[in-house]
Amino acid sequence: AQKVTQAQTEISVVEKEDVTLDCVYETRDTTYYLFWYKQPPSGELVFLIRRNSFDEQNEISGRYSWNFQKSTSSFNFTITASQVVDSAVYFCALSVPSGNTPLVFGKGTRLSVIA
Amino acid sequence: DAGVIQSPRHEVTEMGQEVTLRCKPISGHNSLFWYRQTMMRGLELLIYFNNNVPIDDSGMPEDRFSAKMPNASFSTLKIQPSEPRDSAVYFCASSPGQASEKLFFGSGTQLSVL
Repeated sequence: AQKVTQAQTEISVVEKEDVTLDCVYETRDTTYYLFWYKQPPSGELVFLIRRNSFDEQNEISGRYSWNFQKSTSSFNFTITASQVVDSAVYFCALSVPSGNTPLVFGKGTRLSVIA
Repeated sequence: DAGVIQSPRHEVTEMGQEVTLRCKPISGHNSLFWYRQTMMRGLELLIYFNNNVPIDDSGMPEDRFSAKMPNASFSTLKIQPSEPRDSAVYFCASSPGQASEKLFFGSGTQLSVL
């Protein structure tokens, strides 16, 4: 079975600080996808990134970056120079193509960025 | 292009009443999912359909819950009778192909059962 653990329930930072959200996953499959979604206060779930298990290169998109490490089964998300608009709940998720397994989500990390 | 459309956005009902949540997936998407979000349990998959056929309903909590997808552009999630513990946000999502692909979520239905 697949499992995603986001150990940080809530994080609070001051604007312009960097912050890293942790994600640890479990699966026996060698082929899988990892995702991050953002849920702002308005409630919708916004897709941020998908990474497949064969691509361990780190990804950077503006102030967002993702660090995928198979050795530690982690897919961490860093926001550089955080802004108040980054305040949201962030979800990490895992899916497995074999068996057509839908996304399994972690419980989310609530990030509060204080001005 | 319109995203996943859910209705209603908010639903307040009394215990014992029937509740029907509705979802229109993105046109052309083959898979549709119903998730429930609560503080205690996070985002849980209730059921998903592929090409209008239910594939996995193991997440449906009880017989009080049922879901249908009569055609490629419409799905319902029904709770009968509703109970206070059903209070949650219910999300519908769709994906263009397999269940393991990126999901596109609707805005959710906030359900409160009094």
